[in-house]
Amino acid sequence: EADIYQTPRYLVIGTGKKITLECSQTMGHDKMYWYQQDPGMELHLIHYSYGVNSTEKGDLSSESTVSRIRTEHFPLTLESARPSHTSQYLCASSEVNNNYGYTFGSGTRLTVV
Amino acid sequence: AQSVAQPEDQVNVAEGNPLTVKCTYSVSGNPYLFWYVQYPNRGLQFLLKYITGDNLVKGSYGFEAEFNKSQTSFHLKKPSALVSDSALYFCAVRPNTGGFKTIFGAGTRLFVKA
Repeated sequence: EADIYQTPRYLVIGTGKKITLECSQTMGHDKMYWYQQDPGMELHLIHYSYGVNSTEKGDLSSESTVSRIRTEHFPLTLESARPSHTSQYLCASSEVNNNYGYTFGSGTRLTVV
Repeated sequence: AQSVAQPEDQVNVAEGNPLTVKCTYSVSGNPYLFWYVQYPNRGLQFLLKYITGDNLVKGSYGFEAEFNKSQTSFHLKKPSALVSDSALYFCAVRPNTGGFKTIFGAGTRLFVKA
């Protein structure tokens, strides 16, 4: 079973609302990532973190923000949701050297109406 | 620029037949190579990896992958496909230099017909 948890699994929210997608891992991994994926499509890295108090923007520009106050927790926040934010958001983590690949959460399917 | 290519958007195979999902990469050095599988409405699951050693690596669910350095390829294979193998498959490459970010291919959808 996955040791990385994302909540909620599904979220339908109105335009303009502020939302936070939660991601927690129990493996002690230093590195964590957020990917955006339209259903059945490729992954786009939007944020990543080397460790506590370290966050970087990914390859795809995103209006979301992240924080990393604790090793196990890497939440993603949208201050004002828009329909263009409708997508699936996948959180992942990896060990320091990333020799063993990523562990992914089950994802949050976000719909902004 | 470093990249990963999965040349087929979709692969169709009959149950019981062998399957191959192709992956080529353009990355300097000796990268680490991975395959992941994604079932509908789920995150990605790790299938197998190649770091060094034998060019044929075995992974979960009977899958294996063959690393070919001269062709910079890492094709995913299975001797006998199952309907339950139908899913989206991602090849990924982690360059061995200049950081730790993994590059994902665009994905290949596998359909196994009964």
